[in-house]
Amino acid sequence: GAVVSQHPSRVICKSGTSVKIECRSLDFQATTMFWYRQFPKQSLMLMATSNEGSKATYEQGVEKDKFLINHASLTLSTLTVTSAHPEDSSFYICSAAGTGAFSNQPQHFGDGTRLSIL
Amino acid sequence: GQQVMQIPQYQHVQEGEDFTTYCNSSTTLSNIQWYKQRPGGHPVFLIQLVKSGEVKKQKRLTFQFGEAKKNSSLHITATQTTDVGTYFCAGRSQRTYKYIFGTGTRLKVLA
Repeated sequence: GAVVSQHPSRVICKSGTSVKIECRSLDFQATTMFWYRQFPKQSLMLMATSNEGSKATYEQGVEKDKFLINHASLTLSTLTVTSAHPEDSSFYICSAAGTGAFSNQPQHFGDGTRLSIL
Repeated sequence: GQQVMQIPQYQHVQEGEDFTTYCNSSTTLSNIQWYKQRPGGHPVFLIQLVKSGEVKKQKRLTFQFGEAKKNSSLHITATQTTDVGTYFCAGRSQRTYKYIFGTGTRLKVLA
């Protein structure tokens, strides 16, 4: 079945560092990718919707300059947490889904990235 | 904005008892998906429902999509310890195509 690869799986870094997370669709073209954030024992909160070749759509309350999203190809979207601080520590997870005629296909999740900022 | 609520938030059951979690959306959905997440893991896709009133079964799991496509339920018959985890629904907005996750139901099964 469809596979989404997310890398890295875990990051531990110092405050002020920028961290890039990659999300790749390995065997299908992902016109749309979603980025979620999950705090311990909470649900997944949608941060932004990333469409190939266009600007990402951010959810209310998510800082665009803090969480930079690039979806330059049909198989790769990246999330960069800029100048990360301890409050940015969280579990970040991407998913890939189709749109239009493929909008009823299941979304496929990456394994997630656990980010810890010291 | 769109909200998806799930009840109950927590459920502890004895092994062998049944379990049901309910999912309610504030807006009409194009489809709904159900996921299971174990601690430390990522959500694992269980099933997708698309049609109004649809019912699907997977062994001991029964999934239902409401007639108005705004609510759904997951029922587990005769729970086992392997059913432990958090169950999330994720509804896709008809208008925006975004998936919004429900608040989740954490299931504990006591042996």
